[in-house]
Amino acid sequence: EIVLTQSPGTLSLSPGERATLSCRASQSVSSSYLAWYQQKPGQAPRLLIYGASSRATGIPDRFSGSGSGTDFTLTISRLEPEDFAVYYCQQYGSSTGITFGQGTRLEIK
Amino acid sequence: QLQLQESGPGLVKPSETLSLTCTVSGGSISSSSYYWGWIRQPPGKGLEWIGSIYYSGSTYYNPSLKSRVTISVDTSKNQFSLKLSSVTAADTAVYYCASNAMTYRYFDLWGRGTLVTVSS
Repeated sequence: EIVLTQSPGTLSLSPGERATLSCRASQSVSSSYLAWYQQKPGQAPRLLIYGASSRATGIPDRFSGSGSGTDFTLTISRLEPEDFAVYYCQQYGSSTGITFGQGTRLEIK
Repeated sequence: QLQLQESGPGLVKPSETLSLTCTVSGGSISSSSYYWGWIRQPPGKGLEWIGSIYYSGSTYYNPSLKSRVTISVDTSKNQFSLKLSSVTAADTAVYYCASNAMTYRYFDLWGRGTLVTVSS
């Protein structure tokens, strides 16, 4: 099983600031199979990024993804009030299936 | 547009089998572009993938749950279903169904989720 470890567990920032969220894999992950999601309380997760760096339909360009191998990053360039939520990374491996990271909570400072 | 909706009992007794159905509307479950998946989230915790199925019936499961999980598809009803046997309180969670893109295996459309509580 590929374990995804997200850091930090909680990130406290103010609107307008830049957020950098990390997702580290226990073994190499194909960039094609790395995705990021946003989840707000009481809602289903929403796909933000797939293929490590491609924005999903309707996702603002302040959200960007990067990385390769075992280290991936989600960056939110300028935080809007609606961006405060929990963020998950997810990977797929042909022999290991799908796993999610434990999540990073982005909270208002 | 494509929508997914989970349905099934909200309360299941320990040792029994949890059964849920996901109805796909606004599109065909026989699309070649998607697997169809189940994901769960215990209260206050993170996401756990359970398994996914293609319209042909091909499946892949989370190895940690595989011995207790069966996912099936009914193309005539545009539905797919989850059965999880021998449930315990640890299986209490919000269960989501979602479309699982064939190419990159991300989940791009989710149902609203349904809370299933395991309790006697």
